[in-house]
Amino acid sequence: EPEVTQTPSHQVTQMGQEVILRCVPISNHLYFYWYRQILGQKVEFLVSFYNNEISEKSEIFDDQFSVERPDGSNFTLKIRSTKLEDSAMYFCASRDGHLTNEKLFFGSGTQLSVL
Amino acid sequence: AQSVTQLGSHVSVSEGALVLLRCNYSSSVPPYLFWYVQYPNQGLQLLLKYTSAATLVKGINGFEAEFKKSETSFHLTKPSAHMSDAAEYFCAVSDQTGNQFYFGTGTSLTVIP
Repeated sequence: EPEVTQTPSHQVTQMGQEVILRCVPISNHLYFYWYRQILGQKVEFLVSFYNNEISEKSEIFDDQFSVERPDGSNFTLKIRSTKLEDSAMYFCASRDGHLTNEKLFFGSGTQLSVL
Repeated sequence: AQSVTQLGSHVSVSEGALVLLRCNYSSSVPPYLFWYVQYPNQGLQLLLKYTSAATLVKGINGFEAEFKKSETSFHLTKPSAHMSDAAEYFCAVSDQTGNQFYFGTGTSLTVIP
């Protein structure tokens, strides 16, 4: 089965630093997502991306966050100035086509630790 | 607004026993409902989904779930637990745009030999 790939698997950074989390969605997919899971809490929606623009974002996704699809294969999440509370597992996901019930394919996640 | 509630953050069953993981949803529109499984150090994998067709949905690895509108529930079951079923299970709901998935807090399943 095709996979969504995320790198790195674990990233450690100092508070206030910028981080970029990278994802390679499945090649023919059109919709891309970032979710995060703070330890012990539920998986939370951050942002969805379609046709090279953000289609929906949550309250969590403030001005410190941005997403980009720089080269047609990668899908990145940037946090400009990390805070301690940004420590979480970040999941990238993608889905195919225009059917709204198409399943999401998730990557294995990037564990971000902000010190 | 949509949300799901998973009752029981930890469930333990004996190998061969029935698995029952509970999920209740809240949705102002007809929902799409999903169960995902997360094995250690892996991403979320789809077990099964309900998208307004048959109310009893069969998924992978012998799991199934039944959509009960009157109870706003979508509980996950498996007749006989296997050691390999030990994982974290997440219930999720989306509306029909599929643009946002709302996840529950997860249920950690332990299978006792």
